[in-house]
Amino acid sequence: NAGVTQTPKFQVLKTGQSMTLQCAQDMNHEYMSWYRQDPGMGLRLIHYSVGAGITDQGEVPNGYNVSRSTTEDFPLRLLSAAPSQTSVYFCASSYGGSMYNEQFFGPGTRLTVL
Amino acid sequence: AQSVSQHNHHVILSEAASLELGCNYSYGGTVNLFWYVQYPGQHLQLLLKYFSGDPLVKGIKGFEAEFIKSKFSFNLRKPSVQWSDTAEYFCAVNARGGGADGLTFGKGTHLIIQP
Repeated sequence: NAGVTQTPKFQVLKTGQSMTLQCAQDMNHEYMSWYRQDPGMGLRLIHYSVGAGITDQGEVPNGYNVSRSTTEDFPLRLLSAAPSQTSVYFCASSYGGSMYNEQFFGPGTRLTVL
Repeated sequence: AQSVSQHNHHVILSEAASLELGCNYSYGGTVNLFWYVQYPGQHLQLLLKYFSGDPLVKGIKGFEAEFIKSKFSFNLRKPSVQWSDTAEYFCAVNARGGGADGLTFGKGTHLIIQP
């Protein structure tokens, strides 16, 4: 199993540009989530999904959209990038349709917004 | 909403020293507790977790943690650290039934082990 994969690994955007961060998992996990990691802030939950067709907001959802059309994929969209969205983004998944179980993390996407 | 507090943001130890990283959480109900580690340039990996039962849990690489419910604490320990333990350590709590509160992370402790 590849586990949780994320693309791209690095991305530089200009303010106002849009892009999609890709996340996929091959473990048939029902629960998937997106976090952002900022220095001194730990990880903060952006959006999560408990199964295909179901998404919900986390702690810091503003400026981000998600969708979950399949069990495997959970893309994160930045509609109009801002410098405050410069961060490292991690996707995670867990089994059982619940975030209560152990979460498996992807390798991260380092995003810089100029 | 739950919150997690990690006492030390930066810790520097010599090899073979003992380690204890503090973690306290605030939530009055039942919780699941986790410690994750992030080695330089890598993604987060689970060190250990507590769901229920024996409050002393053992994880990978010789780490252990003790859940003390009365103190709302879940401190991470290792008797003798190695240079390879240099990493960022995150405590996380998940309130059962917490809904969108989900998994809350502490701000992390950057551990540096000097040879």
